[in-house]
Amino acid sequence: AIQMTQSPSSLSASVGDRVTITCRASQDIRTDLSWYQQKPGKAPKLLVYDASRLQSGVPSRFTGSGSGTDFTLTISSLQPEDFATYYCLQDYSFPRTFGQGTRLEIK
Amino acid sequence: EVQLVESGGGLVQPGGSLRLSCAASGFTFSSFEMNWVRQAPGKGLEWVAYISASGSSIYYADSVKGRFIISRDNTKNSLYLQMNSLRVEDTAVYYCATESGYDRFEYWGHGTLVPVSS
Repeated sequence: AIQMTQSPSSLSASVGDRVTITCRASQDIRTDLSWYQQKPGKAPKLLVYDASRLQSGVPSRFTGSGSGTDFTLTISSLQPEDFATYYCLQDYSFPRTFGQGTRLEIK
Repeated sequence: EVQLVESGGGLVQPGGSLRLSCAASGFTFSSFEMNWVRQAPGKGLEWVAYISASGSSIYYADSVKGRFIISRDNTKNSLYLQMNSLRVEDTAVYYCATESGYDRFEYWGHGTLVPVSS
């Protein structure tokens, strides 16, 4: 199975900050990666797919990049509603695998 | 409006069985691949199972292979997860999710909680 290593596991930041979350795959997954945001008690929400395509309705401050084994999710200017947990997911092969998550907290 | 509504969760003893359902509406269910994803309390997301639009292709996580069965009934716009030989470590909120273009998990249900405990 492909392992997805996400970092950092937690991050403290302030409103207006630029933050970057990374995900590394244990093998080449091309651009078969998506990013999800999850708030407590809620279902995950799709943000980015195919590594860099922004899901409809998602603010442009979210940017995904990368290919092969290294990927990033960048939030250009944090808003209060962005404090949540973020997960990457590889869809290159089965079994699908998620990163372990990055909890983004208010500093 | 796309809606996915899971049901069937509830307390079950180790070794027991449970069948989860996911009722879909607001889209052409028979055209979409579907997945089950779970989340243990306080933990991250874990993919559980996949079924193709026609039901002809199925995949499972190693952790549930041989115990769980994913199925669908396109005439009823419904997805199912039959869970057998349940273990304490299967305790989680179970979500159904659509898989569409670029294999994105675009729509998710609200989840149903399955506690496994004696």
